[in-house]
Amino acid sequence: DIQMTQSPSTLSASVGDRVTITCRASQSISSWLAWYQQKPGKAPKLLIYKASSLESGVPSRFSGSGSGTEFTLTISSLQPDDFATYYCQQYNSWGWTFGQGTKVEIK
Amino acid sequence: QLQLQESGPGLVKPSETLSLTCTVSGGSISSSSYYWGWIRQPPGKGLEWIGSIYYSGSTYYNPSLKSRVTISVDTSKNQFSLKLSSVTAADTAVYYCARHSLTGTTLGWGQGTLVTVSS
Repeated sequence: DIQMTQSPSTLSASVGDRVTITCRASQSISSWLAWYQQKPGKAPKLLIYKASSLESGVPSRFSGSGSGTEFTLTISSLQPDDFATYYCQQYNSWGWTFGQGTKVEIK
Repeated sequence: QLQLQESGPGLVKPSETLSLTCTVSGGSISSSSYYWGWIRQPPGKGLEWIGSIYYSGSTYYNPSLKSRVTISVDTSKNQFSLKLSSVTAADTAVYYCARHSLTGTTLGWGQGTLVTVSS
């Protein structure tokens, strides 16, 4: 199995802050990485696919980068609607796995 | 707009089989453009991919669950189903059915259904 490790587990930030979440893979996954946002009681929502491609309808303040084993999700200016939990997912090969999640809280 | 809806018992006894069905509306499950799958989330925890199926019946399972999981598709009913055998309390979770791209991103989700394993 490919293990995905996110950091930090929790992040406290203020509206307007630039926020960066890191996801590391236990082996190379090329660019086969997605990022999802999940709010309490709701299903996750796709934000980024293929490491850096923005899903249609997702605000441009979200961006992704990386390849191989290290990836980042950046929110350029945190908005009130962005307080949520974020997950990375690798889909390099069958046996898809998620990171453990990063909760973005209000500071 | 394509929608997914899970259905099935909310309570299952230990050692029994968990069975859920996902009904797809607003589109055809026989589309060659997607996989259909199941993802679960224990209360307060992260996401775990269970497995996925193509409309032709080809299946792909999480290695850690493979011995207990069966996913099937019924194209005549526009549904796909999950069976998880020999359940324990560790299988208590919200179960989501999902639509995946052919590369593996999850494009759409059902609302999720909580399944509790308890006697």
